[in-house]
Amino acid sequence: EAGVAQSPRYKIIEKRQSVAFWCNPISGHATLYWYQQILGQGPKLLIQFQNNGVVDDSQLPKDRFSAERLKGVDSTLKIQPAKLEDSAVYLCASAPAGAYGYTFGSGTRLTVV
Amino acid sequence: QKEVEQDPGPLSVPEGAIVSLNCTYSNSAFQYFMWYRQYSRKGPELLMYTYSSGNKEDGRFTAQVDKSSKYISLFIRDSQPSDSATYLCAMSANQGAQKLVFGQGTRLTINP
Repeated sequence: EAGVAQSPRYKIIEKRQSVAFWCNPISGHATLYWYQQILGQGPKLLIQFQNNGVVDDSQLPKDRFSAERLKGVDSTLKIQPAKLEDSAVYLCASAPAGAYGYTFGSGTRLTVV
Repeated sequence: QKEVEQDPGPLSVPEGAIVSLNCTYSNSAFQYFMWYRQYSRKGPELLMYTYSSGNKEDGRFTAQVDKSSKYISLFIRDSQPSDSATYLCAMSANQGAQKLVFGQGTRLTINP
């Protein structure tokens, strides 16, 4: 079974620039998550999709972050404009409907300078 | 107060030692408890899953949950250098693919 694919692996941008991350979940997984993991901290949920609908985006900074999941498969997460404090690893995870535990991708490491 | 507290370590032990990793939590609604292992520059991978209070064993790993004390533990027996990683506890109030709340992780090094 192929894992959760994410790209790019690394990204360095200047503050106030925009950036986008892409995630391809495991085939058939209905639920998709984006987590933010700041260095030395545990992952924090940004947004949860069930198929192509949003289940939870309560911790997504909506003034600068946006996410979509087209056709209930791939997803993109965008930051515009980026701030220094957005430097983190952005993890995508997926799970079958009703399952416990997720499968995480390797993440995109973002550095904002 | 954070919902989930985890000693960040770092923790360094010799090969073969028994390792104890712990988390405390404040939300009494949590019923599903997980431990994830995260190698450097990788995403977390699910190691153990436990529902409610009790113990669960899988090979060299044992997970314990004490809901009355809001305390969970992961024990690693006969630790190996390959166990060197960051260990994250995670919790959920609901069954199924629901939001997980993570601890900050404990960085563990097993020295040969």
